[in-house]
Amino acid sequence: EPEVTQTPSHQVTQMGQEVILRCVPISNHLYFYWYRQILGQKVEFLVSFYNNEISEKSEIFDDQFSVERPDGSNFTLKIRSTKLEDSAMYFCASSEGASGYEQYFGPGTRLTVT
Amino acid sequence: AQSVTQLGSHVSVSEGALVLLRCNYSSSVPPYLFWYVQYPNQGLQLLLKYTSAATLVKGINGFEAEFKKSETSFHLTKPSAHMRDAAEYFCAVTNTGFQKLVFGTGTRLLVSP
Repeated sequence: EPEVTQTPSHQVTQMGQEVILRCVPISNHLYFYWYRQILGQKVEFLVSFYNNEISEKSEIFDDQFSVERPDGSNFTLKIRSTKLEDSAMYFCASSEGASGYEQYFGPGTRLTVT
Repeated sequence: AQSVTQLGSHVSVSEGALVLLRCNYSSSVPPYLFWYVQYPNQGLQLLLKYTSAATLVKGINGFEAEFKKSETSFHLTKPSAHMRDAAEYFCAVTNTGFQKLVFGTGTRLLVSP
């Protein structure tokens, strides 16, 4: 069964450093998403991406964050200058369509900022 | 704005007992509702979804949920719990015109022998 993959599974970085989290969505999906889950808290939406542009973003997704689909298969989330509070599990998801379609989640990247 | 409230951060049941996980939603337009399960150190897996078809929705692993508009609820049930059902369960809402899922705070299901 097709699945969403994410690399790395765990990333440790120092405050102020840039990180890139990588995702390979399911191949025939058109919508891509990033969510995060701070330890012990609920899953929060960051951004959705369709047709090579951001279609929706949350207040969390400020200028420190960016997303890109550099080729036909990868979908990346970049954090330019990491803060301690960026420590979280980051989930990538993809779906065939928009509202009402199942979003398939990857296993997550645990980001630890020290 | 959409939101989801999950009552009970932890629910404990015995193996073989009924599982009931509560979810109430708030949405100004007809919602799409989802239940996801998260096993330890894994991503989110869809259990079932409601998208305005039948109000009683059957999902994987013997779970089902009933959409009740009058109660703005979408509670998750399973007649008989298994040890393997121990996990965190998240209710989520979205609707037409939005792509983001808005999640509840989650309910950890504990199953004892």
